[in-house]
This record gives sequence, structure tokens and C-alpha cells, in this order.
Amino acid sequence: GENVEQHPSTLSVQEGDSAVIKCTYSDSASNYFPWYKQELGKGPQLIIDIRSNVGEKKDQRIAVTLNKTAKHFSLHITETQPEDSAVYFCAASIRGSQGNLIFGKGTKLSVKP
Amino acid sequence: NAGVMQNPRHLVRRRGQEARLRCSPMKGHSHVYWYRQLPEEGLKFMVYLQKENIIDESGMPKERFSAEFPKEGPSILRIQQVVRGDSAAYFCASSAGVMNTEAFFGQGTRLTVV
Repeated sequence: GENVEQHPSTLSVQEGDSAVIKCTYSDSASNYFPWYKQELGKGPQLIIDIRSNVGEKKDQRIAVTLNKTAKHFSLHITETQPEDSAVYFCAASIRGSQGNLIFGKGTKLSVKP
Repeated sequence: NAGVMQNPRHLVRRRGQEARLRCSPMKGHSHVYWYRQLPEEGLKFMVYLQKENIIDESGMPKERFSAEFPKEGPSILRIQQVVRGDSAAYFCASSAGVMNTEAFFGQGTRLTVV
């Protein structure tokens, strides 16, 4: 079955710097890759997603890139702010899986003011 | 448009008791998914339901766990005879359709078995 690896597990940056989180997946049939932000005590919040027919997608300070050949995708956050501090999860979904997502183990991002 | 609503937010059960977790999907969403999250871990898929149907329960333990999504009312995840290892956060998500449509999560139910 599908397996999603996420790195790093923790990431600390200074306010204003960029943060990059990387994920790899194993099943080439995966075609949907969302990213979720989870704050302490809350549920995961969808922040951006990308589909396999697109190589890059951007939404203000957040961007996601996808390399289908290498089977990896990355989250880029620019001009980080303290409120970006949270745990970020990548996920992958396989065509025909009817929607269930396989999650990475998460990256705890700390943005120091 | 309210988001995905889960209740209770926190649930404490003694070993051997039953736990019932409820999930009301977003308005207009007919697809519900349950995930379990252990401390410091990612979310693990448990079950996917549509109204009155279990579509995929490949992630759900064979014993003591069951889920339903009746025609009327919320989806229910039921855990019978709970054990300490069942302590976790249980999240429900809903989506409007299948085939990789966006899934939105609720706030979760944190189950503690004492």
C-alpha cells in the first residue's frame, strides 16, 4: 500500500525566513496531495493541495511543488510569522481509493520572533 | 455554514466501558471519514462511510470497533469494551464527493481510557 514519508520532524526558523517541508510517497498511482496545518488541541486544517496534473501551486505565502517522477512533493512557506507555528502534515490519496488519505507523521514548525 | 462538528470534545471511559463518538458533516457533504491520531503521530485512516453504507473499513480494527452513518443524524464511531490502547484523538472528516475532493476535519474527540 501507499506510504508517505515526511521530513524534517521538527523545524525551527526565525520570523521572516522561509520554511520547507518535504514528503515522498511510494505509490505512483497517487494523484492528490493535500497539506494540513494542525494547531494544538485542534483538528487538521487544509491549507493547500495539489493534483498530479500540476507541478506547482501557490497561495499567498504558501506554495506546494510536486515532482511525479521522483515521487516527492514539498511545502514552502515564505516570510514566516509566529502564527505559522504548528504541526504540518502532508498526505496522499490514490486514484480509486475513494478519498481516504495516507498521512505523513508531521513536522512541528516553530517560528521564533 | 458550520464546519464538521464532533462531540464530545473530550471523553473519559473506564476500561471495559463503551465509547460513542459523534460526527456531523458539513452541510451538503455526504462522505464521512474517521481517522485516529496517537500522540506525536500522523492520522491513520479507519473507515469511510456514505449515508447508510460503509464504503471502506480497511483501517478499522476487526473487533470492538464499529461505525455507522444513518440516513438521519450524525455518523457514530462506537468502541466497545475500551482498553488503554484506545486512548487517542479521533477525527472525523467530510467531503462533498469522492475521487480526491477536499476533505475538511472536525476538532476531534480526545478519548482517555482510565
